[in-house]
Amino acid sequence: GNSVTQMEGPVTLSEEAFLTINCTYTATGYPSLFWYVQYPGEGLQLLLKATKADDKGSNKGFEATYRKETTSFHLEKGSVQVSDSAVYFCALREYIFGTGTRLKVLA
Amino acid sequence: NAGVTQTPKFQVLKTGQSMTLQCAQDMNHNSMYWYRQDPGMGLRLIYYSASEGTTDKGEVPNGYNVSRLNKREFSLRLESAAPSQTSVYFCASSVGLAETQYFGPGTRLLVL
Repeated sequence: GNSVTQMEGPVTLSEEAFLTINCTYTATGYPSLFWYVQYPGEGLQLLLKATKADDKGSNKGFEATYRKETTSFHLEKGSVQVSDSAVYFCALREYIFGTGTRLKVLA
Repeated sequence: NAGVTQTPKFQVLKTGQSMTLQCAQDMNHNSMYWYRQDPGMGLRLIYYSASEGTTDKGEVPNGYNVSRLNKREFSLRLESAAPSQTSVYFCASSVGLAETQYFGPGTRLLVL
């Protein structure tokens, strides 16, 4: 069946460090892939998405590339800020979410 | 523009009590969803409605019922609450299935 696996957290980084959060998926066909972010006390909001193989989604300095050959959609950011501290969810198709990865960025 | 609204924000119930969580969206979206979020489990889909007049079970539907009252509103009912239903509940909507979802702020439910 369809599923998403993302790296467990928490991930703790210093400000301006490089971020990678791994996400792999299992699915048939060519599903859309998403990254959502949840700030403390709030609902999820879309960070970026990709709808076909080799697409790169980007937003607010975050990027993720849809890799069909490795069934992956890893989230990256070159220089994190304290304000990026949140929980990040990888998602597949319409309603299949990973377990979330908590990111904490220290000043 | 309110987006997705949920009521109540917080609720405490005793085991066996019933309640309805309300959700409304003003974006003219066709699809709506109910999730629960538990520590270490991520989001799990309870029920969804692909379009007005249809509802389908998600991953964890037991103990819940839903009503798609109209295009705007999608309610979730707990008929006899159990401690295992203590969770944070999120409603979401999207233009259609597989499209970007927009989430409400959540309802924190505690069942004693």
